[in-house]
Amino acid sequence: DIQMTQSPSSVAASVGDRVTITCRASQGIRSYLAWYQQKPGKAPQLLIYAASSLQSGVPLRFSGSGSGTDFTLTISSLQPEDFATYYCQQANSFPYTFGQGTKLEIK
Amino acid sequence: QLQLQESGPGLVKPSETLSLTCTVSGVSISSSTTFYWGWIRQPPGKGLEWVGSIYYSGNTHYNPSLKSRVTISVDTSKNQFSLKVTSVTGADTAVYYCARHEAVAGSFDSWGQGTLVTVSS
Repeated sequence: DIQMTQSPSSVAASVGDRVTITCRASQGIRSYLAWYQQKPGKAPQLLIYAASSLQSGVPLRFSGSGSGTDFTLTISSLQPEDFATYYCQQANSFPYTFGQGTKLEIK
Repeated sequence: QLQLQESGPGLVKPSETLSLTCTVSGVSISSSTTFYWGWIRQPPGKGLEWVGSIYYSGNTHYNPSLKSRVTISVDTSKNQFSLKVTSVTGADTAVYYCARHEAVAGSFDSWGQGTLVTVSS
C-alpha cells in the first residue's frame, strides 16, 4: 500500500494568514492526489483533485501543487470558515489511502 | 442534483454482519460510466479509511486490510449500492460514508452524510 504522510499534524493560524500543508507519498503517484476539508460532524468535501485542479465551487484562495511524491495545499488568506481538518488522498492505485489529517486551529 | 444517503442498523453485535445501503438520487448509477461508487469509514476521532468501490457493471476493488470480510454490490434497478462486513469487532465501529469517485482521477466528489455504526453486545 502507498503510505501518505501529512505535515504538520496540527497548526494554529490567524484569519488572513497564509497556510501551507504538505503531503508526502511513500512512492510516486504522478498527479493522482486529492485534498479534502472536513468539519466536525460533517462529511469531507473535495477541494482539489489531480493535485492542482480546483473543484467547482471551492474558493480561489485554495490551491494545490506537486507531483510524484511531494504535494502541498495552500490557503492564501485564511477565513473563519477554513478552520477544519484537511486530508490528502492518493488515487494512483488501489487501495486508495488517506493522510492522517492536519487540524487547522485558530490562534 | 446528486445526493447519496446511507441507511442501515446503527448497532451490530460482535461476530455478526454489518449491512449498509447507499441510495443514490439525481443521477443514474447505470449511466455513470466514468464513476465508481465507494465506501469510506472513519472511526470516532480518527482518520479516513477507504473500504472499497464498485463500478456500475459490478466490478469491485476492496481494501486488503479488511481481507475477505467485505462485499460491495450494486442494484441498478433501485439505484443503490450496498456494503457488507462480516465477523465485525469493535475495530469496525465507525462512521461509514458512501461516496462517488471518478474512475480515472479517483477523487471523491460527492459524499453521503455518513452513518455511525457501533459494534457492541
